[in-house]
Amino acid sequence: EPEVTQTPSHQVTQMGQEVILRCVPISNHLYFYWYRQILGQKVEFLVSFYNNEISEKSEIFDDQFSVERPDGSNFTLKIRSTKLEDSAMYFCASSEQQGGNYGYTFGSGTRLTVV
Amino acid sequence: SQQGEEDPQALSIQEGENATMNCSYKTSINNLQWYRQNSGRGLVHLILIRSNEREKHSGRLRVTLDTSKKSSSLLITASRAADTASYFCAPLGAGSYQLTFGKGTKLSVIP
Repeated sequence: EPEVTQTPSHQVTQMGQEVILRCVPISNHLYFYWYRQILGQKVEFLVSFYNNEISEKSEIFDDQFSVERPDGSNFTLKIRSTKLEDSAMYFCASSEQQGGNYGYTFGSGTRLTVV
Repeated sequence: SQQGEEDPQALSIQEGENATMNCSYKTSINNLQWYRQNSGRGLVHLILIRSNEREKHSGRLRVTLDTSKKSSSLLITASRAADTASYFCAPLGAGSYQLTFGKGTKLSVIP
């Protein structure tokens, strides 16, 4: 069964450093998403991306965050200057249609620890 | 965006029993999706029900939707220890891309 692949599975970074989290969505999906989950808390929406632009973003997704689809397969989330509170699991997801009419497929996540 | 509220927050049952989880939401939806999350892992899509559907089945899962009451339920029949996980409903409004997750129902199936 097709899956969304995220790398790395774990990342430790120093406060103030830039990190790039990588995702390979399912190949025929057109809509891509990032979510995060701080330990013990809800899964929170960050951003959705379609046709090489952001289609929706949450209040969490401020200027220190950016997304990119640098080629036909990868979808990345960049955090420019990490803060301690950015420590969380980051999940990438993709869907075939707008509004996920067949559901969203999530990756296994990248655990980001900012020290 | 809107968030689903799952009820109960925790549910503990014996293997072989049925588990029922409920979800309420506030505004009109395009569809409502159910997901499972094992501890520390990613979310797994279980089933999607569209706003014009009332019931849907997938294997041991049965989902109902009552748009007049803005509620949905997920029934897992003949539960197994492997069903132990947190379950989330995610209502999706028309024109929105944003799935919003609540606190979920934490299901424990005791062997």
